[in-house]
Amino acid sequence: AQSVTQPDIHITVSEGASLELRCNYSYGATPYLFWYVQSPGQGLQLLLKYFSGDTLVQGIKGFEAEFKRSQSSFNLRKPSVHWSDAAEYFCAVMDSSYKLIFGSGTRLLVRP
Amino acid sequence: DGGITQSPKYLFRKEGQNVTLSCEQNLNHDAMYWYRQDPGQGLRLIYYSQIVNDFQKGDIAEGYSVSREKKESFPLTVTSAQKNPTAFYLCASSTDRNVLTFGAGSRLTVL
Repeated sequence: AQSVTQPDIHITVSEGASLELRCNYSYGATPYLFWYVQSPGQGLQLLLKYFSGDTLVQGIKGFEAEFKRSQSSFNLRKPSVHWSDAAEYFCAVMDSSYKLIFGSGTRLLVRP
Repeated sequence: DGGITQSPKYLFRKEGQNVTLSCEQNLNHDAMYWYRQDPGQGLRLIYYSQIVNDFQKGDIAEGYSVSREKKESFPLTVTSAQKNPTAFYLCASSTDRNVLTFGAGSRLTVL
């Protein structure tokens, strides 16, 4: 069965520091992968997606993610974090029935 | 602006009552979804509908019901059979079955 693992429940970084959020997936075929961000009490906003092609994907708000098939990973990165990036981040994979399977999320805290 | 409107944003329910959460979209999307979010558990799929008058159960459909009489609307009823309904509920829609657009959510609390 398809699954998504986000091993870090919380991550704290200083403003201006770099960020990497980890995501590992389990899926037999070529996966459709997504990163979403959620501010407190709000819905989810798509940051970026990977369907095929270039394994380094650029998204909104300066985020990028790299698909590594050999490691079954799709980690999210940002070179310099801003205080407004504090939120919860969800990785997701689309299953064979076109439904999204979400990880449990990583909450990002940003130190001033 | 096109988007998804969920109402109410906050809802309180007494035990034994049914409640209905509204989800309306003006994006002309064919598919609509309901997710439940609990702290530390990510999002779990309750029901989804890919066309009008058709819907399928997701992973946690027990205690919930839906209808899809119009393309724009996909209301979710939380019935008294749902044992632990306190949660944050998110509605979403998509046009190409790949990218979901989410509403702002409804928080249901059972008193």
